[in-house]
Amino acid sequence: AQSVTQLDSHVSVSEGTPVLLRCNYSSSYSPSLFWYVQHPNKGLQLLLKYTSAATLVKGINGFEAEFKKSETSFHLTKPSAHMSDAAEYFCVVSLMDTGRRALTFGSGTRLQVQP
Amino acid sequence: EAQVTQNPRYLITVTGKKLTVTCSQNMNHEYMSWYRQDPGLGLRQIYYSMNVEVTDKGDVPEGYKVSRKEKRNFPLILESPSPNQTSLYFCASSFRQGAGLGTEAFFGQGTRLTVV
Repeated sequence: AQSVTQLDSHVSVSEGTPVLLRCNYSSSYSPSLFWYVQHPNKGLQLLLKYTSAATLVKGINGFEAEFKKSETSFHLTKPSAHMSDAAEYFCVVSLMDTGRRALTFGSGTRLQVQP
Repeated sequence: EAQVTQNPRYLITVTGKKLTVTCSQNMNHEYMSWYRQDPGLGLRQIYYSMNVEVTDKGDVPEGYKVSRKEKRNFPLILESPSPNQTSLYFCASSFRQGAGLGTEAFFGQGTRLTVV
């Protein structure tokens, strides 16, 4: 079975400082991994995806994530936080497990950006 | 513009009154699904559909029905809503499921349902 653990439910950073949102996954097979962002009262927007190509993945708005198979991690980073980055972030794993569930979501990390 | 459209965005209803939340996608995606989002529980899958006339239960299907008569539409039906179905609902679609290219999901804007 697959699972996703987001290690921090809340992260607070100052504007202009780096962002690190941590995600570990459990999967018996090679997964696809995604990060989605949800702004207040909005739907989920895809930030970036890993689908077994390059392990360092660049996404929108300056975000990056690195797939580390040995550590089963897919942490999301950004060099410099902006006020508009304040939102909830979800790490998601996708795996064909008997064709039933397509996506498994982490519980989310709420990012706060202080001025 | 490629998108998933849900309606309505907000709905307040009374216990037992049947309702339908519509979902439509214009990307010719085969795979569609419904999720509910509750505080502290993240997103949980209600039902999914792998293609027209092919639907199956997700993690929390009790109290819900779906149908997939056309590729683009995947309505969510609550035959007799109850207060524990108060939640934020999302419809999503993708080209395929599993791992690899084309599996990223596109989400609708959400429907906030309150059952009193």
